[in-house]
Amino acid sequence: QVQLVESGGGVVQPGRSLRLSCAASGFTFSSYGIHWVRQAPGKGLEWVALISDDGSDEYYAESLRGRFTISRDSSKNTVFLQMHSLTVEDTAVYYCARVLYGGNSGSLPYWGQGTLVTVSS
Amino acid sequence: DIQMTQSPSSVSASVGDRVTITCRASQGISSWLAWYQQNPGKAPKLLIYAASSLHSGVPSRFSGTGSGTDFTLTITSLQPEDFATYYCQQAHRFPYTFGQGTKVEIK
Repeated sequence: QVQLVESGGGVVQPGRSLRLSCAASGFTFSSYGIHWVRQAPGKGLEWVALISDDGSDEYYAESLRGRFTISRDSSKNTVFLQMHSLTVEDTAVYYCARVLYGGNSGSLPYWGQGTLVTVSS
Repeated sequence: DIQMTQSPSSVSASVGDRVTITCRASQGISSWLAWYQQNPGKAPKLLIYAASSLHSGVPSRFSGTGSGTDFTLTITSLQPEDFATYYCQQAHRFPYTFGQGTKVEIK
């Protein structure tokens, strides 16, 4: 079955960097784009980024472009989210998610359990 | 970016009630709309995709309608497990965007 497992969250000081991982299994990794979505405490869902199935295209929320970078390693079936210059506003649970059908676009039926990033001094 | 506006932000209802949540897009998104249910501390669950298609395993009391800019999620005969927060999401154009959420509370 489709499984997505996030890791790499934790407490980090403002201005520092952090890299999150999303390990995928149960499907043909190279056939699906992977999205990141975050949720600040007590707030709604915010779409963060997408890396396409073949890794050739990346899309970002405008407010995060330039600070966040998404990448994928097909040899490890893993997607990464590199986050730089973190601020307290980046404190959130970060989820990775996969689309329903092959490709990159559409609804997101498969989600990981999330990893909590806390930016605090 | 395409803005998604949900209403109401919260609704109080009783078991057995019919609940309707609306979502409006700032520009036309055809039928590229999904609805999710989220319980506290849990990842969102997909309910409806392509505006009106019921995701596998989702009870038939959930239904979605609409196209273009105006969409509706309806829950007929609300069940205890339906008290949660609901989000719409457009998948028409990147960056994807979510509505601000609608909390369905027990009256």
